[in-house]
Amino acid sequence: ELKVEQNPLFLSMQEGKNYTIYCNYSTTSDRLYWYRQDPGKSLESLFVLLSNGAVKQEGRLMASLDTKARLSTLHITAAVHDLSATYFCAVPRGRGTSGSRLTFGEGTQLTVNP
Amino acid sequence: DTEVTQTPKHLVMGMTNKKSLKCEQHMGHRAMYWYKQKAKKPPELMFVYSYEKLSINESVPSRFSPECPNSSLLNLHLHALQPEDSALYLCASSQVVRGRAKNIQYFGAGTRLSVL
Repeated sequence: ELKVEQNPLFLSMQEGKNYTIYCNYSTTSDRLYWYRQDPGKSLESLFVLLSNGAVKQEGRLMASLDTKARLSTLHITAAVHDLSATYFCAVPRGRGTSGSRLTFGEGTQLTVNP
Repeated sequence: DTEVTQTPKHLVMGMTNKKSLKCEQHMGHRAMYWYKQKAKKPPELMFVYSYEKLSINESVPSRFSPECPNSSLLNLHLHALQPEDSALYLCASSQVVRGRAKNIQYFGAGTRLSVL
């Protein structure tokens, strides 16, 4: 059974600081997704990581994937208040072409304080 | 346009009611999904439709009945729900492609359901 673990689950940080969220998963996968969810809102796709060593950057967020270690990181650089949200990583189960069964991590609730 | 539209936004129903949730997308995606999300928890997959056919049912109770009438629409029919079914119900869609495609799932804003 695929397990996806994120840590930390809660993160309170000051504006301008850097931090990293970790996502470990238990079975082989060649791709991983990061989503953001604001309170009461939908999930917004942030990154798709498709291969070992993949690195993607968008603004103050950078995501990477190490498929051998079964680990993805989401690095936050010089945090700003607008980044406050819950961040989920998600890993697909199975290799079917009929749509992806995503297993989500528990989510990291990030609060950026002035 | 990466929009998935869900209606209604909020729904309150009694345990004997029958109601339906609707989801629509016009991105040409041929895979559509229903997820259930409880407060402070990640989304949990319920159903997957591929080319308008049910391809995955994650052992969901029969009081939830999905329907995909065409490639743009997905419904979730609700009957005799329990209070523990109260949650945010999210619809998503994605392309259906082989190989190393991105296959990103795009989510709607959800229907917040309360069962009394």
